[in-house]
Amino acid sequence: QITLKESGPTLVKPTQTLTLTCTFSGFSLTTSGLNVGWIRQPPGKALEWLAVIYWDDDKRYSPSLKNRLNITKDTAKNQVVLTMTNVDPVDTATYFCVRGNWFDYWGQGTLVIVSS
Amino acid sequence: QSALSQPASVSGSPGQSIAISCTGTSNDVGGYNFVSWYQQHPGKAPRLMIYDVRNRPSGISNRFSASKSGNTAFLTISGLQPEDEGDYHCSSFTGNNTWVFGGGTKVSVL
Repeated sequence: QITLKESGPTLVKPTQTLTLTCTFSGFSLTTSGLNVGWIRQPPGKALEWLAVIYWDDDKRYSPSLKNRLNITKDTAKNQVVLTMTNVDPVDTATYFCVRGNWFDYWGQGTLVIVSS
Repeated sequence: QSALSQPASVSGSPGQSIAISCTGTSNDVGGYNFVSWYQQHPGKAPRLMIYDVRNRPSGISNRFSASKSGNTAFLTISGLQPEDEGDYHCSSFTGNNTWVFGGGTKVSVL
């Protein structure tokens, strides 16, 4: 059974760095071809793709956010970590981690509120 | 990269068929057969309905079908049912080796 679960702070102050962790099970990021990514959704708005990390440690970022994002993996812990620097209230959103190119499995999402 | 363009809302009566469009560019929808569609109910995570333009994952009803023409992809829901209500999102791989989503379409069953 494949599961993903996001964890991290619910409330972050503007200008701070946000760190989110995706803990997954049922597959391994050492498997050739696999990847784990992050997608967010502001309240009442559209999905926005953020970043992906591949089994071979290749990484891709949203062009509009690449200067603020960093994605890493810990294959021993089955975790992927996304950090976002210099957060702003517009970064308030539910953040999802997803598996694969098709986003075939999603975590439940974690709501992050950016407010002073 | 700009978001893909979807209609804000589409509605239909039970049993009818509806279609949702997803328009991009030659750098995403038109350039790759890597278009996916997701269904999302309120407060829930999206669910993969279609991948690689027209393929249904296991467990997805054959009432859901999809296609692509040029820079526009389409999702068709046949035999509309009340449980089909929700938001539908398209996504596409892009020439930048990234992904892009559409603005989402709210489907209402009248």
